[in-house]
Amino acid sequence: ILNVEQSPQSLHVQEGDSTNFTCSFPSSNFYALHWYRWETAKSPEALFVMTLNGDEKKKGRISATLNTKEGYSYLYIKGSQPEDSATYLCAFNSGYSTLTFGKGTMLLVSP
Amino acid sequence: EPEVTQTPSHQVTQMGQEVILRCVPISNHLYFYWYRQILGQKVEFLVSFYNNEISEKSEIFDDQFSVERPDGSNFTLKIRSTKLEDSAMYFCASRAGSRDRGNTEAFFGQGTRLTVV
Repeated sequence: ILNVEQSPQSLHVQEGDSTNFTCSFPSSNFYALHWYRWETAKSPEALFVMTLNGDEKKKGRISATLNTKEGYSYLYIKGSQPEDSATYLCAFNSGYSTLTFGKGTMLLVSP
Repeated sequence: EPEVTQTPSHQVTQMGQEVILRCVPISNHLYFYWYRQILGQKVEFLVSFYNNEISEKSEIFDDQFSVERPDGSNFTLKIRSTKLEDSAMYFCASRAGSRDRGNTEAFFGQGTRLTVV
């Protein structure tokens, strides 16, 4: 059973704060690390798919880094807005078709 | 924009009854998945499907579960005899990409909330 851990479990920040959370995954048999954003009453939506050690990807105010040797990825949100409130899921892929998901970090951004 | 669609959005069924959850993946996608999330728990993998056969399945996906792609567009999950613990949100997803390559994103449907009473 693959262990994909996310921390913190939940986070409450004020509008304008920058924040980050962590996904840790097995460092062996790494193929890809996915980040998804899941808003309440909607389906998970892909943010990033990262494959190379040292990868850094950015989409607007959201960015992610990847360290495959030590088995972690960080997701950063700069200047959080209320519309960033969602659960952020990471998913690990070892080269087979399965994506193994973490439990997610629930972010709440207050105005 | 293409999307994965699931029906019904909510299904209530009696314990022991059979249910079929339906999904229409994005056309030209090659990989199809079912995941579920029991309330308050993590998203769990059930099964992946490629080239008209199951490519991987989890321990959850026992003999009570089956999947089918009957007509080249629908992808269904059948639970033969539902149990109370099958109550969960069931998500279908599809992904483009070549066989066994994980570097393309998955697109998820809105989910079917299954309630077994």
